[in-house]
Amino acid sequence: KQEVTQIPAALSVPEGENLVLNCSFTDSAIYNLQWFRQDPGKGLTSLLLIQSSQREQTSGRLNASLDKSSGRSTLYIAASQPGDSATYLCAVLTQGGSEKLVFGKGTKLTVNP
Amino acid sequence: DGGITQSPKYLFRKEGQNVTLSCEQNLNHDAMYWYRQDPGQGLRLIYYSQIVNDFQKGDIAEGYSVSREKKESFPLTVTSAQKNPTAFYLCASSFLVGNSPLHFGNGTRLTVT
Repeated sequence: KQEVTQIPAALSVPEGENLVLNCSFTDSAIYNLQWFRQDPGKGLTSLLLIQSSQREQTSGRLNASLDKSSGRSTLYIAASQPGDSATYLCAVLTQGGSEKLVFGKGTKLTVNP
Repeated sequence: DGGITQSPKYLFRKEGQNVTLSCEQNLNHDAMYWYRQDPGQGLRLIYYSQIVNDFQKGDIAEGYSVSREKKESFPLTVTSAQKNPTAFYLCASSFLVGNSPLHFGNGTRLTVT
């Protein structure tokens, strides 16, 4: 059974700092990995999707990497801003079965001005 | 604008009553999903549907029911059999082909007393 872990559960950084959020998964047979952002009381917004054949994806100040063999992904946020404060979740789509997304519990990021 | 609409945003019910949460999408997505989010537990899949008039149970389907009579609509009924119905419910949709990111609605917070 696929399990997704995100460490740390919470992170607080000063504005302007570059930071990395981590995601690990137990079954490397995946179709893709997605990173989402969730603001309090809201739904999830898709940030980046990395296909299993890709190593990284970039969107603006965000860069997500994928190392399928080691079961790890990172989300790099450059020059963080207070508006980046949110909970970041990763999810993997696993092959060979129901093809359901399995989510981590998220990392709550606070960027202090 | 294309998107997913969940209504209502907040819902209050007495214990023992069934309640139906609405989810509509105009993205022409094939697949639709219902997730439940509880503090510290991450997102858990309740039901999903990949085609009209067909749906599958997710990880926590007991006490819930769904229908998919139209491509655009995927309502969720929380029945009196659900032991802990108070939660934040999220609806999502995606294309089935390729690596399609998941799009989420803004959620419905259900409180049962």
